[in-house]
Amino acid sequence: AQSVTQPDIHITVSEGASLELRCNYSYGATPYLFWYVQSPGQGLQLLLKYFSGDTLVQGIKGFEAEFKRSQSSFNLRKPSVHWSDAAEYFCAGNTGGFKTIFGAGTRLFVKA
Amino acid sequence: KAGVTQTPRYLIKTRGQQVTLSCSPISGHRSVSWYQQTPGQGLQFLFEYFSETQRNKGNFPGRFSGRQFSNSRSEMNVSTLELGDSALYLCASSSSDGREQFFGPGTRLTVL
Repeated sequence: AQSVTQPDIHITVSEGASLELRCNYSYGATPYLFWYVQSPGQGLQLLLKYFSGDTLVQGIKGFEAEFKRSQSSFNLRKPSVHWSDAAEYFCAGNTGGFKTIFGAGTRLFVKA
Repeated sequence: KAGVTQTPRYLIKTRGQQVTLSCSPISGHRSVSWYQQTPGQGLQFLFEYFSETQRNKGNFPGRFSGRQFSNSRSEMNVSTLELGDSALYLCASSSSDGREQFFGPGTRLTVL
């Protein structure tokens, strides 16, 4: 079955520290991959997406993600976290079938 | 282009009532999907409509139904509301290749 796994339910980092959120996928073929962010009470905002080509993808708000086919991973990174980055982050996959499969989400807490 | 719009944004109902949520896709998009987000179950796929036909359906009871109109606007209906139906309901639209879905801001439904 197709699935997207985010192993970390929550992560706490200090402001200014680097961040890496993990995501693994299980699909028959490489899916299109996405990272979304959701602030409390809000909808989903797309941070970045990977369709093909360069495996390092740049997104908004200083985020980037690296696609690694050998590890079936698509980890999200940011070199220096700001307090405003505290939110829930969702990794998601889509094989072009008009249905997105989401991971369970990782809640990011930022320490001052 | 205008994004996906959903109305209403917030809704309060009581158990046993029914509710109808509306979604207007991005202009030119013919596919509309619905998702339910709850703290316990995360983001789950409800169903997808294309050209007024339901093409995909998630694992939800028959109380959850939808339809799509000729202008691609979609409605989702939940009958005999239960407390557990309290959730954020997200609508997404896709262009013809279906590889990326564009999400609306959601309708937050509270069932008392």
